[in-house]
Amino acid sequence: DIQMTQSPSSLSASVGDRVTITCRASQSISSFLNWYQHKPGKAPKLLISAASSLQSGVPSRFSGGGSGTDFILTISSLQPEDFATYYCQQSYITPLTFGGGTKVEI
Amino acid sequence: EVQLVESGGVVVQPGGSLRLSCAASGFNFDDYAMHWVRQAPGKGLEWVSLIDWDGVSTYYADSVKGRFTISRDNSKNSLYLQMNSLRTEDTALYYCAKDRGEQQHYNWLDPWGQGTLVTVSS
Repeated sequence: DIQMTQSPSSLSASVGDRVTITCRASQSISSFLNWYQHKPGKAPKLLISAASSLQSGVPSRFSGGGSGTDFILTISSLQPEDFATYYCQQSYITPLTFGGGTKVEI
Repeated sequence: EVQLVESGGVVVQPGGSLRLSCAASGFNFDDYAMHWVRQAPGKGLEWVSLIDWDGVSTYYADSVKGRFTISRDNSKNSLYLQMNSLRTEDTALYYCAKDRGEQQHYNWLDPWGQGTLVTVSS
């Protein structure tokens, strides 16, 4: 199985900060990497697919990059509604696997 | 608007069985693969299972293989997860999610339902 490792597991930031979350795959997954946002009591939401493709309706302050084994999610200017847990997920092969999550806190 | 509504989560004893359901609306259900994903209390997301749009092919996480069975009834726009030989470690919020690919796997999950809680405890 492909292991997905996210870092950091949590971070504290302020409104307006630039935030970067990294995700590393245990083997090359090309660009088969997706990012989700998950808020307590809500359904997870797909933010970015195929490493860098922003989903419709997702603010442009979110961006993704990388390929192979190393990927990043960047929030250019953190907003109050962005405080949540973020997960990467490889869609290269089943079993699909998620990173452990990064909790973004105030 | 796409809607996914899970049901069937209850408290069940170890070794017991349970069937979860997911009612889908707002899209052509029989054109899309569907997934189950779970989140144990205080833990991250864990993919559980995938079924193709026509129900022919299914895929499972190693942790549930041989115990869980995914199925669908396209005439009822419904997805199911039959869970047998339940263990305490199966305690989790179970989400159903739609695959983004039409008649193919993209393995991007969008959208997700709100989840149904399964508690395995004596």
